Amino acid sequence: AQSVTQLDSQVPVFEEAPVELRCNYSSSVSVYLFWYVQYPNQGLQLLLKYLSGSTLVKGINGFEAEFNKSQTSFHLRKPSVHISDTAEYFCAVSDGAGNQFYFGTGTSLTVIP
Amino acid sequence: NAGVTQTPKFRVLKTGQSMTLLCAQDMNHEYMYWYRQDPGMGLRLIHYSVGEGTTAKGEVPDGYNVSRLKKQNFLLGLESAAPSQTSVYFCASSYRINPYRTTNTGELFFGEGSRLTVL
Repeated sequence: AQSVTQLDSQVPVFEEAPVELRCNYSSSVSVYLFWYVQYPNQGLQLLLKYLSGSTLVKGINGFEAEFNKSQTSFHLRKPSVHISDTAEYFCAVSDGAGNQFYFGTGTSLTVIP
Repeated sequence: NAGVTQTPKFRVLKTGQSMTLLCAQDMNHEYMYWYRQDPGMGLRLIHYSVGEGTTAKGEVPDGYNVSRLKKQNFLLGLESAAPSQTSVYFCASSYRINPYRTTNTGELFFGEGSRLTVL
C-alpha cells in the first residue's frame, strides 16, 4: 500500500503572503498525484492533478504544484494567498490502475487578515 | 448537474441500530467509493466498487457492508452501529484513469458528506 505524508497539520499565513503546503508519498511505481481542497462543511473538490508530462502543474484559484520524482514530493504553492483560501487541503495518490486513492491527513490553511 | 448526491446528510443513531447511506451519481462513472473522515486522520477508504455488481474492501471495512446493484448507486450499510463509527462519510465516484483522454483523468468527484453520530 502507498502512503501520503503531509508534514504540516496547520499552516497560518498572512493575507497576500506566499504559501507552500508539503506532500510526500511513498511509492516505487508510477503514480498519479492530486491536491484537493475542502471548504468548511463541504465535500472535497479537485484543485489540480499530475498524471504525466510537465512536472509543474497549474490548478484553479492560482495554485500550482511541482512533482519531484527523486524526492517523491508534490508540494502545493501559491504566490499570494487570499482570505478565501482558508480551507483544508488534502494531497492524494493513486496507483496506475486507478482503483484506490490514498489521502494524506490534511493541512489546515488559515489566512490571517 | 447533480453530480454526486448523498442521503441522508445528518443522522443520529443509538448503539446497535442499523442504517443505510445512499450515494447516487449521474456522471456514468465506473468507480465509486465510500470514505470516512475523522479529525487528524484524513480520509480513509471503507469500501469501493469498480463496476456494477462488484465491491471490494478498503482500509477500514469492518462494521460496514456495501452494495452496488445499479451503476449509479452505491449503498453503505451499518448493521449494528457503534460509537466508533461516529464520523463524516463521503461518497465519491470517478472514471478509470486514462491520461490520454482529457475526460478520463481519474479524479474523484465527492458528495457533500453525511454526518453520522452514534450515541
